[in-house]
Amino acid sequence: SQKIEQNSEALNIQEGKTATLTCNYTNYSPAYLQWYRQDPGRGPVFLLLIRENEKEKRKERLKVTFDTTLKQSLFHITASQPADSATYLCALRRGYQKVTFGTGTKLQVIP
Amino acid sequence: SAVISQKPSRDICQRGTSLTIQCQVDSQVTMMFWYRQQPGQSLTLIATANQGSEATYESGFVIDKFPISRPNLTFSTLTVSNMSPEDSSIYLCSVDRQGDNEQFFGPGTRLTVL
Repeated sequence: SQKIEQNSEALNIQEGKTATLTCNYTNYSPAYLQWYRQDPGRGPVFLLLIRENEKEKRKERLKVTFDTTLKQSLFHITASQPADSATYLCALRRGYQKVTFGTGTKLQVIP
Repeated sequence: SAVISQKPSRDICQRGTSLTIQCQVDSQVTMMFWYRQQPGQSLTLIATANQGSEATYESGFVIDKFPISRPNLTFSTLTVSNMSPEDSSIYLCSVDRQGDNEQFFGPGTRLTVL
């Protein structure tokens, strides 16, 4: 069955450093991969999408890489701020199939 | 983007009762999704609701337990029937506009079953 794993349940990082979150998947060939942010008590909010034929995508302080050989995506937040503290979810989809979400990584940026 | 509202935002219910959750979208969409997110867990898709047809349920979810209505292109309801404490969860409504390749989520309904 399809499986998506994200690294560790919680990641603590000092303000100003780069946070790197990992998303690994098995038994899946996604057409694209998405990253969402979820704050406590709220629904996920879309951040970035990267397609299977793209290696890297950037948006302001965010950078996503996608390695279909390793079946892995890395999500980077540079110059991290306490306001970046949240849970980050990766999600995969192929065509019009349902979106499958990962387990999420809770990021805590320490001032 | 799409703005999604859900009612109620939270509720505490007794075992054996039913709760209907409403989802309203500010634009017409073809597909609406209902997810469950249990404490500390990721999102699990319950069903996909298309206007004018029966909802499609994922493995482990059945219509008798989670009946869904989709009367028009901007509205859907999810009923959690004959509730037990195991149904305590956050229920999220989501839409997927073709061509956007992203999903928009409502704020969620936090359900506690005693």
